[in-house]
Amino acid sequence: DTGVSQDPRHKITKRGQNVTFRCDPISEHNRLYWYRQTLGQGPEFLTYFQNEAQLEKSRLLSDRFSAERPKGSFSTLEIQRTEQGDSAMYLCASSSQGPGGNIQYFGAGTRLSVL
Amino acid sequence: GQNIDQPTEMTATEGAIVQINCTYQTSGFNGLFWYQQHAGEAPTFLSYNVLDGLEEKGRFSSFLSRSKGYSYLLLKELQMKDSASYLCAVRDQTGGFKTIFGAGTRLFVKA
Repeated sequence: DTGVSQDPRHKITKRGQNVTFRCDPISEHNRLYWYRQTLGQGPEFLTYFQNEAQLEKSRLLSDRFSAERPKGSFSTLEIQRTEQGDSAMYLCASSSQGPGGNIQYFGAGTRLSVL
Repeated sequence: GQNIDQPTEMTATEGAIVQINCTYQTSGFNGLFWYQQHAGEAPTFLSYNVLDGLEEKGRFSSFLSRSKGYSYLLLKELQMKDSASYLCAVRDQTGGFKTIFGAGTRLFVKA
């Protein structure tokens, strides 16, 4: 068990470009969450999956954001036509369904800078 | 609406006890979490309360009162390494497993 891993750790892009981030959850975890965190704030919920099903998506999430978890394992978060306001840390977390499933384990995050 | 309030910053002395308060107003409730986050690192789980009362785990304790929409995290025998942000989070039952985080309390432990 290597924990939740996210790739890349850092991404610098120009405004208007598309970016994609990857998250590999803890192997036996069937729930996966994406959050966005800006400096001095707590993580802001974006979306979550149970297996391959995307069960909830924040109303704050614009149509430029899309997330997938095609095989119920790793997940990707894509941001199209990036804007400077998208600059943030993007965190992924996973949890199990059984006992202890209330605990979300976070990855180290992908820091996005939009120039 | 959904709102979680916690103090922005607190300072305490090494070896002392500190209590970090959290009040919440959410459309549903299915548990309250405390996470610790060191600067530049991922949040790590500290505690989970779903029933009223006190949960103790080593130097850390967490209390919940659902009727008051209130929780606190108690840290005893403070150590310098406890300097971090402490995040209060509520799982919104009406949203399934959606978890709402407060802005966090930055704790500074001084010698």
